[in-house]
Amino acid sequence: GDSVTQMEGPVTLSEEAFLTINCTYTATGYPSLFWYVQYPGEGLQLLLKATKADDKGSNKGFEATYRKETTSFHLEKGSVQVSDSAVYFCALSDKDQGAQKLVFGQGTRLTINP
Amino acid sequence: EAQVTQNPRYLITVTGKKLTVTCSQNMNHEYMSWYRQDPGLGLRQIYYSMNVEVTDKGDVPEGYKVSRKEKRNFPLILESPSPNQTSLYFCASSLSFGQGGTYNSPLHFGNGTRLTVT
Repeated sequence: GDSVTQMEGPVTLSEEAFLTINCTYTATGYPSLFWYVQYPGEGLQLLLKATKADDKGSNKGFEATYRKETTSFHLEKGSVQVSDSAVYFCALSDKDQGAQKLVFGQGTRLTINP
Repeated sequence: EAQVTQNPRYLITVTGKKLTVTCSQNMNHEYMSWYRQDPGLGLRQIYYSMNVEVTDKGDVPEGYKVSRKEKRNFPLILESPSPNQTSLYFCASSLSFGQGGTYNSPLHFGNGTRLTVT
């Protein structure tokens, strides 16, 4: 079945550092890809999405590009802030499977130190 | 304010004592779903509902029940909770997820219910 693999956390960076969180996926169809963010004590919020190959999703300085050839959707940000500390989830939905769900990765906890 | 509301936020119970976690959304969303979040496993879908009176199993439905009698509510029922159901539970809704074969509509999540079964 479909699956999503994220880089192991936790990830700790200093403020203004460059961030990459790796995400690769396995899907039999042609999925849409998402990054969700979970701040402490809250539910998940959509951060960005991409629906077809070579699409770039972006929001709040974060970017991710849908790479079909490498089945990847890595999350990047050029200069992180303390307020970016959260858990980040990569996810896919695969319409060819007819699945009525998102498939999530295991999450990557990010801590930014001032 | 558009939101998904879950109650309670925290619940400690004992094995075998029936409980219900409520979920309500005020956005007139068709699609609703329950997930559980466990360390190292991410979120796994328990049940989902495409519309009123339409529910279906997700990946981990054993030990859970749901109902969708009204569009806004989607309660999760544990008839006889066991310790392996100790987890963080999230309800989510979406305007059009899965409608017409499209899966781009974002999910809106509640703030979660942390359940402990002893």
